[in-house]
Amino acid sequence: NAGVMQNPRHLVRRRGQEARLRCSPMKGHSHVYWYRQLPEEGLKFMVYLQKENIIDESGMPKERFSAEFPKEGPSILRIQQVVRGDSAAYFCASSPRQRSGNTIYFGEGSWLTVV
Amino acid sequence: AQSVTQLDSQVPVFEEAPVELRCNYSSSVSVYLFWYVQYPNQGLQLLLKYLSGSTLVKGINGFEAEFNKSQTSFHLRKPSVHISDTAEYFCAVSDGSGGGADGLTFGKGTHLIIQP
Repeated sequence: NAGVMQNPRHLVRRRGQEARLRCSPMKGHSHVYWYRQLPEEGLKFMVYLQKENIIDESGMPKERFSAEFPKEGPSILRIQQVVRGDSAAYFCASSPRQRSGNTIYFGEGSWLTVV
Repeated sequence: AQSVTQLDSQVPVFEEAPVELRCNYSSSVSVYLFWYVQYPNQGLQLLLKYLSGSTLVKGINGFEAEFNKSQTSFHLRKPSVHISDTAEYFCAVSDGSGGGADGLTFGKGTHLIIQP
């Protein structure tokens, strides 16, 4: 039973390029969350999605960042025109239902380095 | 709004000694509380969680935590640590409102360093 799968695990981009991070939730999970972990900091919530819907994107930067969770395929976190400050670990998590208290399961993260 | 404070950024402990990692939270409503562990270059793994009922919660790897509502704390403890416990530990809270993100608010983490 595969867990939350993220790829790529490591990604290097030059300033101005685009970064695409993919997340496949656990089987049977329809809720996906993206978090960002900056060096020496905890995880910060970015966005919460269900299939084909963005439920809460209050943690997403207003520009350059977008997320989707299509009916088929993985969830994608897209960062356009990356800058050095985007360098971070990006974690995806999934849960089977919305009810609070339900455990969410994390992937192993995607480490983005902008050079 | 909810927040989590982990009072210690680093905790050095000798092997086989006991350890307590502190966590305080603030929330205007009832909360669910979690501790996650992150080993180097890996994702987060759930150690334990408090939803309701007994305030003493036992988790994996010999860890336990106690929910103290009056002190708004959820400190993590282990009676005897091992080298393999060296990791980053995150306390997290969910306010159970069911709205919005329904995700978690994390503390900044405590780096547990086990010394031989």
